[in-house]
Amino acid sequence: ETGVTQTPRHLVMGMTNKKSLKCEQHLGHNAMYWYKQSAKKPLELMFVYSLEERVENNSVPSRFSPECPNSSHLFLHLHTLQPEDSALYLCASSQGFTGEGYEQYFGPGTRLTVT
Amino acid sequence: AQTVTQSQPEMSVQEAETVTLSCTYDTSESDYYLFWYKQPPSRQMILVIRQEAYKQQNATENRFSVNFQKAAKSFSLKISDSQLGDAAMYFCAYLFVQGAQKLVFGQGTRLTINP
Repeated sequence: ETGVTQTPRHLVMGMTNKKSLKCEQHLGHNAMYWYKQSAKKPLELMFVYSLEERVENNSVPSRFSPECPNSSHLFLHLHTLQPEDSALYLCASSQGFTGEGYEQYFGPGTRLTVT
Repeated sequence: AQTVTQSQPEMSVQEAETVTLSCTYDTSESDYYLFWYKQPPSRQMILVIRQEAYKQQNATENRFSVNFQKAAKSFSLKISDSQLGDAAMYFCAYLFVQGAQKLVFGQGTRLTINP
């Protein structure tokens, strides 16, 4: 248990559906991240939020829409996804961008299958 | 762009023995962090150990230690007294400390522990 939770753990959705992934951190961190982990590929950073402000959008298609209402919660809204978007989506948090708080702590992930 | 390479897709070791996982990285920066993460079958990404580039002393965490060779851009992980619970995917990761905190991951090494 790393202090970062993700729901749901598993999600199956059709290409026309709209769904959301939720991440919550209980560590008092100020930065949150979305990563995508596909088979046979390294983890890919998708989005970075610092103090609820998006500081990085790593060329992610617009069918993925992040939302960070406060420093403890992060959402990833999904719509009109493609089968190649099937992957493990990992959320992470860190204390911030200064000092010794560089370590990122990960949630258990959401296994997404797009049919 | 920074890259991280793990040249060993799979490794195996006898229980109680020692194993070393290799990692090399490419960067032109002088100030950065390096990490080893463990991802067991549960898919939870767990931080194992970290190394600050400005520190010459190799980091250690109980049975886990690193051999950090900054000039050679090498960052290997040594696991001593291997245990069955060490079986997992191990990812080497690089973090540049300026700007957005983008972790760059290697492809991973699958470690099997033989009883």
